[in-house]
Amino acid sequence: DGGITQSPKYLFRKEGQNVTLSCEQNLNHDAMYWYRQDPGQGLRLIYYSQIVNDFQKGDIAEGYSVSREKKESFPLTVTSAQKNPTAFYLCASGGGSEQYFGPGTRLTVT
Amino acid sequence: AQSVTQPDIHITVSEGASLELRCNYSYGATPYLFWYVQSPGQGLQLLLKYFSGDTLVQGIKGFEAEFKRSQSSFNLRKPSVHWSDAAEYFCAVVLSGGYNKLIFGAGTRLAVHP
Repeated sequence: DGGITQSPKYLFRKEGQNVTLSCEQNLNHDAMYWYRQDPGQGLRLIYYSQIVNDFQKGDIAEGYSVSREKKESFPLTVTSAQKNPTAFYLCASGGGSEQYFGPGTRLTVT
Repeated sequence: AQSVTQPDIHITVSEGASLELRCNYSYGATPYLFWYVQSPGQGLQLLLKYFSGDTLVQGIKGFEAEFKRSQSSFNLRKPSVHWSDAAEYFCAVVLSGGYNKLIFGAGTRLAVHP
């Protein structure tokens, strides 16, 4: 069954801790993306990767880091430097101009 | 700067009524256009897309959208809404220039009354 998986679905952390969100795809897509979603603001691009071992900052990369060591995987780390990390995080992968989204991870930091 | 505007934050319709969700974009050339749907707490599902050709495109779940170049619009329509259509709908455009960056509108939340 082809698709994108994100784990966990819900994540709770204390302020000051780094946390890593998982994203895996078996669609054989070269490109992968991380978005943040806040109520009333649509989706905003955090990081993207067009190919293994390469990634670029999106519009709101501050306080986040990524790696792309394998084609299938694009983990996102939310660092303690991110001032407002509580949000819904969506991972996507792309073939051509279309993007396909995972189910998302809701991160709550208290 | 390129942007996507969805003027309606919330829309409520009765089950069986017709639906039109508005989307306008600000972009120098004709972009690639998309509509996505999101159920609460879920990821986004692609409803339909426009790249070129026929300006009326058909999608899944009985949705269609019409691209109007003169109005820079890509409105989503459905002739008869079902209760299961209640969700949030996002219009998006692809910004060309080296990678396929999606620019999203803020979304329209659809409620369906029985």
